[in-house]
Amino acid sequence: AQSVTQPDIHITVSEGASLELRCNYSYGATPYLFWYVQSPGQGLQLLLKYFSGDTLVQGIKGFEAEFKRSQSSFNLRKPSVHWSDAAEYFCAVGAVFNYGGSQGNLIFGKGTKLSVKP
Amino acid sequence: NAGVTQTPKFRVLKTGQSMTLLCAQDMNHEYMYWYRQDPGMGLRLIHYSVGEGTTAKGEVPDGYNVSRLKKQNFLLGLESAAPSQTSVYFCASSWESNTEAFFGQGTRLTVV
Repeated sequence: AQSVTQPDIHITVSEGASLELRCNYSYGATPYLFWYVQSPGQGLQLLLKYFSGDTLVQGIKGFEAEFKRSQSSFNLRKPSVHWSDAAEYFCAVGAVFNYGGSQGNLIFGKGTKLSVKP
Repeated sequence: NAGVTQTPKFRVLKTGQSMTLLCAQDMNHEYMYWYRQDPGMGLRLIHYSVGEGTTAKGEVPDGYNVSRLKKQNFLLGLESAAPSQTSVYFCASSWESNTEAFFGQGTRLTVV
């Protein structure tokens, strides 16, 4: 079965420091991969997505992610974190959709909460 | 651009009461979803729909019902609310399966 693991529940970084959030997936074929961000009290906003092609994808707000098939990973990075980046981040994989099954189209990790120190 | 709109945004229910959460999308998406979000659990799929008139059970469907009478609307019903249904509920929609989903702002439901 498809699954997504975000090993870090909570990460704290200093403002201006670099950031890497880890995501590992389990999927039998070439996956569609996504990163979403959720600010407190808000819905989920898409940061970036990978469907095919270049394994380094750029997203909004200065984020990027790299797809590594050999490691089944899709880690999110940002060179310099801003205080406004404090939020919860979710990695998701686009699953094979089987109508009547219980998985729906996106399998989410449990999220990584990012705190930013001044 | 309204996108996905959920109503209400907040609600407090007493145990045993019923209510309906409304989701509306203006992007002409075929697929619509209801998730619940609980601390440490991430997002869990309750029910979904692949088009007008269709619904299917997700990972945690018990205690909920849904209807998709119109393509743009997806309703989530709680017939007899329980404290275990205290959660934040998110509606989402997508153009196709496997593509990105667009989320509403969420409904915070408390059952006392």
